[in-house]
Amino acid sequence: TQLLEQSPQFLSIQEGENLTVYCNSSSVFSSLQWYRQEPGEGPVLLVTVVTGGEVKKLKRLTFQFGDARKDSSLHITAAQPGDTGLYLCAGALGYGGSQGNLIFGKGTKLSVKP
Amino acid sequence: SAVISQKPSRDICQRGTSLTIQCQVDSQVTMMFWYRQQPGQSLTLIATANQGSEATYESGFVIDKFPISRPNLTFSTLTVSNMSPEDSSIYLCSADNNEQFFGPGTRLTVL
Repeated sequence: TQLLEQSPQFLSIQEGENLTVYCNSSSVFSSLQWYRQEPGEGPVLLVTVVTGGEVKKLKRLTFQFGDARKDSSLHITAAQPGDTGLYLCAGALGYGGSQGNLIFGKGTKLSVKP
Repeated sequence: SAVISQKPSRDICQRGTSLTIQCQVDSQVTMMFWYRQQPGQSLTLIATANQGSEATYESGFVIDKFPISRPNLTFSTLTVSNMSPEDSSIYLCSADNNEQFFGPGTRLTVL
């Protein structure tokens, strides 16, 4: 059974603080995705990391894929109330043009207070 | 990327009835998936919708309860059959176009 452990499950911080969300697994993934979901909407893809050790930046968000492609982190710098939402990591097992089904972490519910 | 729409966006249904959810993608995609998400929780895969063949179901989900159609490369339906209050959830379809994109979801409440 492939499991993707995501932590923390809940995070409540003040505007301007930094935070890191972690996803860990014993499985090796072909790629790992981070999604953000707001209430009443579907998950929106933020980034895909593919190469072990890869670091991607999206404005104040930094995503890292572990060297062994088993873990990943999302770091947000100077969080803003607009960052509030459910953050989901998802590992893909497929190769060759299709991700196959994704293994989702349990999600991190982030609340950023003004 | 792919733009995905779902219908209906929400519904309230009576116990014992069935609801069919439609998922439309704006481009041809190889793979489509159906997920269930309890409020505030993560996503659980129900099945892979295969074009031209029967869907592949995950453990705990069966075709009689969740029949799926995939008549072409841009469209799929999921039926929630003989509903009970435990089926109240958000149902999401996704399309795999080298990355997976999700529809907005269908929020189902069963009374």
